Amino acid sequence: AQSVSQHNHHVILSEAASLELGCNYSYGGTVNLFWYVQYPGQHLQLLLKYFSGDPLVKGIKGFEAEFIKSKFSFNLRKPSVQWSDTAEYFCAVEGGGYQKVTFGTGTKLQVIP
Amino acid sequence: DTAVSQTPKYLVTQMGNDKSIKCEQNLGHDTMYWYKQDSKKFLKIMFSYNNKELIINETVPNRFSPKSPDKAHLNLHINSLELGDSAVYFCASSHGDGAQAQHFGDGTRLSIL
Repeated sequence: AQSVSQHNHHVILSEAASLELGCNYSYGGTVNLFWYVQYPGQHLQLLLKYFSGDPLVKGIKGFEAEFIKSKFSFNLRKPSVQWSDTAEYFCAVEGGGYQKVTFGTGTKLQVIP
Repeated sequence: DTAVSQTPKYLVTQMGNDKSIKCEQNLGHDTMYWYKQDSKKFLKIMFSYNNKELIINETVPNRFSPKSPDKAHLNLHINSLELGDSAVYFCASSHGDGAQAQHFGDGTRLSIL
């Protein structure tokens, strides 16, 4: 069975600080990886995804993530956060079954102006 | 046009009642999902349908019964509601050929009195 770990539960940053959110997964086969964002009171939206090719993927709003297969990691980064990035961020893994996507427990990011 | 729409947005009811949540997508996707997000924001898949056929059925009480009249609709019926059913329920859809991001509805906040 696949699983996803997000070790940072709550991150507080000042505007313009750099961001890195950790995501590790466990699954022995080929995986597809996603980061979703949930702004307060809204639904989840896709930030970026990886399924093959360049392990460094760029998403919307200046976010990027790097897939490191040897570390089973898919960390999310942004060089300079803004107050509007305040949200909950979910890492997700698809593998091991037909469209079965497992979500991490989420990281709450709070950006202070 | 809303891509994935759920109704109602809020549902407040008493224990023991039976209620339904409807979901419709106009994206032409062939796979639809129901997720439950608890108060700690943990997102857990409940069901997935592909072309009206059940393909994922996680450990969910049999009081929860999904129904897919066609591939654009996936409704969730809940019998004998319990306090622990209070949560936000998200519907999502995707193409069923893997590596495709899921599109989420706005969620239905279910509160049991």
